[in-house]
Amino acid sequence: GAVVSQHPSWVICKSGTSVKIECRSLDFQATTMFWYRQFPKQSLMLMATSNEGSKATYEQGVEKDKFLINHASLTLSTLTVTSAHPEDSSFYICSARDLPGHYNYGYTFGSGTRLTVV
Amino acid sequence: DAKTTQPNSMESNEEEPVHLPCNHSTISGTDYIHWYRQLPSQGPEYVIHGLTSNVNNRMASLAIAEDRKSSTLILHRATLRDAAVYYCILRDHGGNKLVFGAGTILRVKS
Repeated sequence: GAVVSQHPSWVICKSGTSVKIECRSLDFQATTMFWYRQFPKQSLMLMATSNEGSKATYEQGVEKDKFLINHASLTLSTLTVTSAHPEDSSFYICSARDLPGHYNYGYTFGSGTRLTVV
Repeated sequence: DAKTTQPNSMESNEEEPVHLPCNHSTISGTDYIHWYRQLPSQGPEYVIHGLTSNVNNRMASLAIAEDRKSSTLILHRATLRDAAVYYCILRDHGGNKLVFGAGTILRVKS
């Protein structure tokens, strides 16, 4: 089945530094990937839609200059949290969708990245 | 996106069936009904999805009301590994994103 690999699974960084999270579709190509954030005991909140070869589409209220998204290939999207602060500490999850018409035309999620900013 | 309403939590005994309800009274004709579940500290996992007819797969069954304003996810024999948050999500056929609601916390007792 479709597999999405997310790396790292957890990271601790100092306040003011930047952190990059990678999301890879291992056995399928994804023109579209999605980034979510989840705070403890809350549901997933969609942050942005990442489109291969073009700019990401951010949800309302999400700062695009703070959460930089790059989707340079059909198998890799990255989320960079710039100038991280403690309030950015959260569980970040990516999702990828296979190409239309393909067997795995559904949504596959990564295992998530736990970010702690100290 | 059309909204869904689910109970905050449910409890089941191991080895017994579980029926997880979802109300979606504002569903449109092109909305697909998706179910995902999330185990602690993991990303969501696909469970099942359907449009109008009932659906079965190796994980669960999805029963969709005739008017499509509600649906029920059925786990035929709950195990401890089924303890998770279950999300019922509507996605428009032409839409691209999944928007999660609060979900139902399923607890399974041994």
